[in-house]
Amino acid sequence: GQNIDQPTEMTATEGAIVQINCTYQTSGFNGLFWYQQHAGEAPTFLSYNVLDGLEEKGRFSSFLSRSKGYSYLLLKELQMKDSASYLCAVRGRPITGGFKTIFGAGTRLFVKA
Amino acid sequence: GAVVSQHPSWVICKSGTSVKIECRSLDFQATTMFWYRQFPKQSLMLMATSNEGSKATYEQGVEKDKFLINHASLTLSTLTVTSAHPEDSSFYICSARDIGPSGIQETQYFGPGTRLLVL
Repeated sequence: GQNIDQPTEMTATEGAIVQINCTYQTSGFNGLFWYQQHAGEAPTFLSYNVLDGLEEKGRFSSFLSRSKGYSYLLLKELQMKDSASYLCAVRGRPITGGFKTIFGAGTRLFVKA
Repeated sequence: GAVVSQHPSWVICKSGTSVKIECRSLDFQATTMFWYRQFPKQSLMLMATSNEGSKATYEQGVEKDKFLINHASLTLSTLTVTSAHPEDSSFYICSARDIGPSGIQETQYFGPGTRLLVL
């Protein structure tokens, strides 16, 4: 089956760096996604990793290790507006065929001054 | 970045009626769009993958006859909630997939969501 685990909440200071971890189990791994969602709004796409390694996009980076079933989202130079929920999602291929994407419960990040 | 619109942004309907939600990619062509549902204080749930010109692929546990998806053009996908009931009240969100020139990198652009309240 599939499952995802990520911390429920994290707190960090403005200007600092924070790493949000995500561990997963899936069959037929087909990609890992990170999304940002502010309260009451639709999510925004942050990153997609299908190969091992680090993908950097400005202040945000995402890392994937398929052998360890592990990913992290790294946020640098934190700003107050980064306070949001960060969702990890993994897409896999069930043995029954097709694709299946599951989402973690999300990590609520609080950035304090 | 690319823009995806959804219409309507919110809708209130009576139990038993059907509601259609539109998702449009405004400045790029999307062969694939996704439909999600999110209940209050819960995470996202992918409902289905909408493919232009072919049948949608539904996630396990999602009733295809209740949530009708049509993706007739490269810029429009619609989700119809048929015979809506109060338990269908939720935040429905679409996203359009953009695969870069390499065919490996994937980006998704989300619509602003549609809040459905069934009375």
